[in-house]
Formats: sequence, C-alpha cells, structure tokens
Amino acid sequence: GNSVTQMEGPVTLSEEAFLTINCTYTATGYPSLFWYVQYPGEGLQLLLKATKADDKGSNKGFEATYRKETTSFHLEKGSVQVSDSAVYFCATDGGRRALTFGSGTRLQVQP
Amino acid sequence: SQTIHQWPATLVQPVGSPLSLECTVEGTSNPNLYWYRQAAGRGLQLLFYSVGIGQISSEVPQNLSASRPQDRQFILSSKKLLLSDSGFYLCAWSRGGMNTEAFFGQGTRLTVV
Repeated sequence: GNSVTQMEGPVTLSEEAFLTINCTYTATGYPSLFWYVQYPGEGLQLLLKATKADDKGSNKGFEATYRKETTSFHLEKGSVQVSDSAVYFCATDGGRRALTFGSGTRLQVQP
Repeated sequence: SQTIHQWPATLVQPVGSPLSLECTVEGTSNPNLYWYRQAAGRGLQLLFYSVGIGQISSEVPQNLSASRPQDRQFILSSKKLLLSDSGFYLCAWSRGGMNTEAFFGQGTRLTVV
C-alpha cells in the first residue's frame, strides 16, 4: 500500500533561517505528491504539488522537487518567517482516489 | 468558485450519544468527498470516501458510518460514541475522476466525555 514518511518535529528555527522538511513515499504506479499546511485550529490548505518525476512545485517561497530515484519530495524554503509556523503534511495519491498523508511536521519559527 | 462548509466547529458529546457531522460543497458537481480524522499530535487517517451519491468506501472498520444523500452532501455518523472517537474531523473534496488534489473544510473538534 501507499505510505508517506516525514521527519519528526517539532522543527524550531530562527526567523530567516533555511528550512528543509524531509518526505519520502512508497506508492504504486505514477503518484502525484503534495504538501499541505495546517495553521492552528484550521483545516489543511494545499501548499504545492507535483504530478510527475522531476517536477518542481512552488508557492509562497516554498519549493519541493519530485525525485523518483530517491522517492522523495522534500520541502524547502530559503528564509522562514514567524508566520510560517504551522504543521506541514506530505501526501501522495499513489494511483488511488484518496490521499495518504504523513504524520505531519510541526514548524516553530522564533523571532 | 468552490467552497466547502463543515459544521459544527466544535462539539462535546457524552459517551454513548449519537453523532452527526455534516459537510456540503458548493460550486462544483459530482465531487469526490472524504472524511479524515486527525488524532491529537498525529497525522490524518482516511475514514471514508465517496465517488457518487450512495457510494461509500470505508477505509477503517470502526464505530462510524458515512452517507451521501445528495451529490454535494456528506454526513459522518455514529449511533454510540466512544471515548476513542475524540479527535479533529476533516471533510474534503476533490474534482471527480482520478484528480486527487483535495480541498479541506475547517474541521470539527469532537470531544467525547
């Protein structure tokens, strides 16, 4: 079956630091990959996505590249802000009609 | 534009009581609909998904059930709540077919006491 493994948090960074949140996946077929963000007390919002190998998804300064050879989709941002503090989820569809999510990584950015 | 509404936002229910959470989607037709649960400090667990009226797929055997009486309405129910049913319940939709990019509601925080 499909699975997603994310680095455990919390990740604590100072403002303007570089962010990497690792994500690896196991899926059949030709999966699409997603990053979602959840702010406290809210639902999930799509942050970015990639639908085929070597695609790069980007949004709001965040980027992730679909690496089929390493089955990875690591999330990066060059300079984080306090407002980026949230929980980040990696997900894949793995050829199914529903997404499989990782366990989430909490990011705390300190001023 | 499409919107998704989920209610109530918070709910406190005693053990053994029934449950009904409702979710509706506007601005699209024949969406795929989903119920997820997020336990405290954990990831999202897919509970049910539906590709059409009356069509429900259950991912995890449990105390809950789902129904889709109308194209854009998805209901999560229980006849008797357990303490372990506490959590954050999220409804989501995606465009029909194999398009899986999901759009989430604001969630319902359920506490069973």
